[in-house]
Amino acid sequence: GQNIDQPTEMTATEGAIVQINCTYQTSGFNGLFWYQQHAGEAPTFLSYNVLDGLEEKGRFSSFLSRSKGYSYLLLKELQMKDSASYLCAVRDNRKLIWGLGTSLAVNP
Amino acid sequence: ETGVTQTPRHLVMGMTNKKSLKCEQHLGHNAMYWYKQSAKKPLELMFVYNFKEQTENNSVPSRFSPECPNSSHLFLHLHTLQPEDSALYLCASSQLDRESGNTIYFGEGSWLTVV
Repeated sequence: GQNIDQPTEMTATEGAIVQINCTYQTSGFNGLFWYQQHAGEAPTFLSYNVLDGLEEKGRFSSFLSRSKGYSYLLLKELQMKDSASYLCAVRDNRKLIWGLGTSLAVNP
Repeated sequence: ETGVTQTPRHLVMGMTNKKSLKCEQHLGHNAMYWYKQSAKKPLELMFVYNFKEQTENNSVPSRFSPECPNSSHLFLHLHTLQPEDSALYLCASSQLDRESGNTIYFGEGSWLTVV
């Protein structure tokens, strides 16, 4: 079947680094996406990985290992505004499979 | 401000009402989507339109009726809804090409409460 797993909740401290993991099991693979969603708002696109390796974009980086069915989102120099839900999604051929999201709380 | 705008942002309707959600994308994309987001559930794809043609309808009840008059506008017509239809309804758009990975961009969402 198709499945995406990510932790339900995480807590981190302002200024620290946090890694949010995502594992997936899909019949096909055409890319993995990370989105950020603040409470009461729509998801906003963060990153797209289709090849193995690390993609860096400012304070955020995303890593993909297709052979392991694994990705992580790395957030550096955490700020209070990074408190949000982080959604992992995998494109399985034409279909986009969504995880439930990881709720990150950044504490002062 | 996102490139995808939705109205209204909040809607309360009775089970016998008829209302519509409106979406407009300013990104020049060729695909548009309706998603439903409920608590403790993954995002649920409802409808997909490619070049104004509906290409997916994921077993959505007929009380939800989409309309796509052109590649920039999308509507979701609502009638005789149930309380369990209360959710955040998200419109989204994408450009169908390999380079972007068909990245989806969401509107701000319409919070629907059915009473």
